[in-house]
Amino acid sequence: DIQMTQSPSTLSASVGDRVTITCRSSQSINRNLNWYQHIPGNAPKLLIFAATSLEDGVPSRFSGSGSGTDFTLTISSLQFEDFATYYCQQSYSFPLTFGGGTKVEI
Amino acid sequence: QVQLVHSGAEVKKPGASVMVSCKASGYIFTDYYIHWVRQAPGQGLEWMGWIKPNGGDTNYAQKFQDRVTLTRDTSISTAYMNLSGLKSDDTAVYFCSRSYDPSLGFDHWGKGTLVTVSS
Repeated sequence: DIQMTQSPSTLSASVGDRVTITCRSSQSINRNLNWYQHIPGNAPKLLIFAATSLEDGVPSRFSGSGSGTDFTLTISSLQFEDFATYYCQQSYSFPLTFGGGTKVEI
Repeated sequence: QVQLVHSGAEVKKPGASVMVSCKASGYIFTDYYIHWVRQAPGQGLEWMGWIKPNGGDTNYAQKFQDRVTLTRDTSISTAYMNLSGLKSDDTAVYFCSRSYDPSLGFDHWGKGTLVTVSS
């Protein structure tokens, strides 16, 4: 199975901050990497697919980069509604696997 | 708009089975794969498997291979996840989600069903 490692596990930030979350895979996954936002009690939300493509309706302050084994999710200017947990997920091979999550808190 | 609506919360005893349903609307049910993902309390997301509503093909994570069965009823655009031999560490929120292809991201999710396993 491909292991996905996110860092940090928790991130304290303020509104307006630039935030970067990293995700590393245990083997190359090309660009088969997706990012999700999850607020407890809500359905998870797809933000970025194929490493860099912004899902329809997602604000442009979210961006993704990387390929191979190292990936980054960036929020250019953190908004109040962005306080949530973020997960990366590889869709390169089965079983599909997620990172452990990064909680972005105030 | 696309919606995936889950059945209600369940409380089960160890050793029992549970079936969770996921009713799809707002799109052609047979055009998208349905995935099941779970989240145990305080834990991350764990993929369990997918079903292709058009034809019923399935793919399960090896961890759940012996205990999970994914089915669907295309007449009512509903997918089902049956998990047998429940243990306390199966206590989790179970989500359904969809993807156009298994190699793509899950672009819509349900809000999940809480399954509690307790004696």
